Amino acid sequence: AQKITQTQPGMFVQEKEAVTLDCTYDTSDPSYGLFWYKQPSSGEMIFLIYQGSYDQQNATEGRYSLNFQKARKSANLVISASQLGDSAMYFCVLRVGYQKVTFGTGTKLQVIP
Amino acid sequence: DAGVIQSPRHEVTEMGQEVTLRCKPISGHDYLFWYRQTMMRGLELLIYFNNNVPIDDSGMPEDRFSAKMPNASFSTLKIQPSEPRDSAVYFCASTGQYNSYNEQFFGPGTRLTVL
Repeated sequence: AQKITQTQPGMFVQEKEAVTLDCTYDTSDPSYGLFWYKQPSSGEMIFLIYQGSYDQQNATEGRYSLNFQKARKSANLVISASQLGDSAMYFCVLRVGYQKVTFGTGTKLQVIP
Repeated sequence: DAGVIQSPRHEVTEMGQEVTLRCKPISGHDYLFWYRQTMMRGLELLIYFNNNVPIDDSGMPEDRFSAKMPNASFSTLKIQPSEPRDSAVYFCASTGQYNSYNEQFFGPGTRLTVL
């Protein structure tokens, strides 16, 4: 069975500071993918970044980077230079097999001016 | 592309009524997913299709829920009869094997309220 855990229900960060959102996962399958999605208060789900289990380097997309520690089964999202528009729910997602995905419970990030 | 389209965006109905939610995936995508999001249970995968065929419906809560995909550009999720505990936001998402990471593209959701 697949499991994904986000232990931070809510976090605050000062504008322009960096913030790390934690995510740990569990699967026995050697091939898997990890995603992060953002859900603003408006409700839509926005894809941010992807890390494959065989990727040698940590994924980066603009101000988003994924701190992938395979041995520890963690895939933390790092947001650099936080902006007010980063205030949202953030979901870590595990995909095993071709399309079966499991969502974490989410972390609500609030950026303080 | 217009993205994943869902209708209606909001639906308010009374207990016992039939509810039909609609989804148009992104053109060319061959996977379609239905999710339900509630405060208590988070985001749950209900069912997904590949090439219009249901692949995994293990997340469908009970027989009151049914989903169809008659063609590559249209899917429905039906609840009959509806109950207040079905109140949630229902998302449709799609992806295709030619996406960079097979990431799923989500529609805006349908907020369902059952009175």
